[in-house]
Amino acid sequence: KAGVTQTPRYLIKTRGQQVTLSCSPISGHRSVSWYQQTPGQGLQFLFEYFSETQRNKGNFPGRFSGRQFSNSRSEMNVSTLELGDSALYLCASSLGQAGRTDTQYFGPGTRLTVL
Amino acid sequence: AQSVTQLDSQVPVFEEAPVELRCNYSSSVSVYLFWYVQYPNQGLQLLLKYLSGSTLVKGINGFEAEFNKSQTSFHLRKPSVHISDTAEYFCAVTPPPGSSNTGKLIFGQGTTLQVKP
Repeated sequence: KAGVTQTPRYLIKTRGQQVTLSCSPISGHRSVSWYQQTPGQGLQFLFEYFSETQRNKGNFPGRFSGRQFSNSRSEMNVSTLELGDSALYLCASSLGQAGRTDTQYFGPGTRLTVL
Repeated sequence: AQSVTQLDSQVPVFEEAPVELRCNYSSSVSVYLFWYVQYPNQGLQLLLKYLSGSTLVKGINGFEAEFNKSQTSFHLRKPSVHISDTAEYFCAVTPPPGSSNTGKLIFGQGTTLQVKP
């Protein structure tokens, strides 16, 4: 079974631009979560989507948004990029079973550099 | 709210020596606990998890961890490390099902394990 895939793997943008990152979960997984990893703040939860609905959200400004499609693929968007948005963005998928804590499986990440 | 503290940012160790990576957590409710490993330029790979039951959990690559509720710890151990174990290790917690934050992993700052020949 294929793992979690993220595209693109590397991205360079300039301040003020916007960016869209894509995540394809493991087949059969319905929950997708996004995390930001930086040297200073470590791994921080951005949001989680399940059945096309945002189920949980971290403490990030509204410039960070996401969505999930009917096939469970997810995208996250960052508008008006700032230098501090440079990070590794990780996507994780899980089965999303109601009432159960699923194991989250991570993709390789998208390395975003903002110049 | 939950939080995780990994007590060592770097742990240098010689090949074939034992190692322990320390993790303490804080939570007003019960939590589920995880250890992930991250190799350079890669995502996170699950090593092991504690949901319930036996407090000694065995994972992949010869790693194990022990859940200690009274000390709120979940330390990761390996009796004999290899060069290939050099990586960054993350401890994480998540609330159990029924919580509004179920599925949200809260990570520690990570511990870099450096295995020397």
